[in-house]
Amino acid sequence: GDSVTQMEGPVTLSEEAFLTINCTYTATGYPSLFWYVQYPGEGLQLLLKATKADDKGSNKGFEATYRKETTSFHLEKGSVQVSDSAVYFCALTPLSSGSARQLTFGSGTQLTVLP
Amino acid sequence: EAGVTQSPTHLIKTRGQQATLRCSPISGHTSVYWYQQALGLGLQFLLWYDEGEERNRGNFPPRFSGRQFPNYSSELNVNALELEDSALYLCASADRVNTGELFFGEGSRLTVL
Repeated sequence: GDSVTQMEGPVTLSEEAFLTINCTYTATGYPSLFWYVQYPGEGLQLLLKATKADDKGSNKGFEATYRKETTSFHLEKGSVQVSDSAVYFCALTPLSSGSARQLTFGSGTQLTVLP
Repeated sequence: EAGVTQSPTHLIKTRGQQATLRCSPISGHTSVYWYQQALGLGLQFLLWYDEGEERNRGNFPPRFSGRQFPNYSSELNVNALELEDSALYLCASADRVNTGELFFGEGSRLTVL
């Protein structure tokens, strides 16, 4: 079945440091890939997505590129801020007849950014 | 526009009891998903409802069940509660053109004593 593997946390960085959170996946066909973020005390919200190979999703300074050859979707940000402290989830959904099914999530990576 | 709303925010039960959690999707959304977020285990898919029908369920025992009402709201029932059912239960909704982007509520925290 489909699965998502994320780098284990927690990750602690200083403000303005470079961030990479690794994500690899196993799926049949060409799934859509997502990064969701969960700020303290809140529900998950979509950060960015990519729907086909070589697509780059970006939002709020975060980027991730859909790499079919390495089955990866690593999250990067050039300069993190304290406000980026949150839990980050990589996820995928297969598309069937053009419509998504349920999302399969990775285990999440806790990021703490220190001032 | 109101987001996904869940109730109750917190619920405390004892082993063997039943719990009912409720979810109202974003207006116009027809799909509702339920996920369990237990400590340290990430999000585990429970149930997916669309247009009133159960479309898929995750690897959970039958004592986890639910339904979707004609107004697309949903409830999750957990019977014969066990200690390991303690978790945050998240509801999410998606619209008719389901591209995989889910909109999540803030969750219901269930504690089983």
